[in-house]
Amino acid sequence: LAKTTQPISMDSYEGQEVNITCSHNNIATNDYITWYQQFPSQGPRFIIQGYKTKVTNEVASLFIPADRKSSTLSLPRVSLSDTAVYYCLVGDPGYALSFGKGTSLLVTP
Amino acid sequence: EAGVAQSPRYKIIEKRQSVAFWCNPISGHATLYWYQQILGQGPKLLIQFQNNGVVDDSQLPKDRFSAERLKGVDSTLKIQPAKLEDSAVYLCASSSGLAGAGWAWEQYFGPGTRLTVT
Repeated sequence: LAKTTQPISMDSYEGQEVNITCSHNNIATNDYITWYQQFPSQGPRFIIQGYKTKVTNEVASLFIPADRKSSTLSLPRVSLSDTAVYYCLVGDPGYALSFGKGTSLLVTP
Repeated sequence: EAGVAQSPRYKIIEKRQSVAFWCNPISGHATLYWYQQILGQGPKLLIQFQNNGVVDDSQLPKDRFSAERLKGVDSTLKIQPAKLEDSAVYLCASSSGLAGAGWAWEQYFGPGTRLTVT
């Protein structure tokens, strides 16, 4: 399993764009990059997944450089409800993925 | 579409007692996962089933934990006997993909069962 490193915590104000970067230097050829969001007392929820370049959905964007050794989750114009823990997972999604400790994002007014 | 169902939502037991958790995945999902999440940490995979076979149980403490997925649908996770350090949230997740398929899919998580061992 590829080891991932992401910031323990981040703070932001409402309406700002938040970028959370994840390092994964030993990513393998078959590995995908997946981000999950978790609110207190709930199970994690899938946000976005990508293999290379850029992926965008209605919630977020995922930027992956050509070497794939890092990735950046971008949350446009965050609101208070985006306060959560965000996990970067790297691996073959068919097998066990390590969640790590995640990044705790706090959005304030 | 109904989500992943888990029961009970909360359980308090004394150490050395036994406990069982139940999970009903999303209909048609071949792959089912059990995770343990200790407060302040990310979920840790305990076991992964594909249909009714085990794909990965390398982190399951087999001396006290057991899991089964009869008929490839519902699953039960059991702890016997429980220890204080088993206090955690036990999450069940399911996905439609198959191990080694070479393409990506998402896991859908249930609400979890919060276990407190006293």
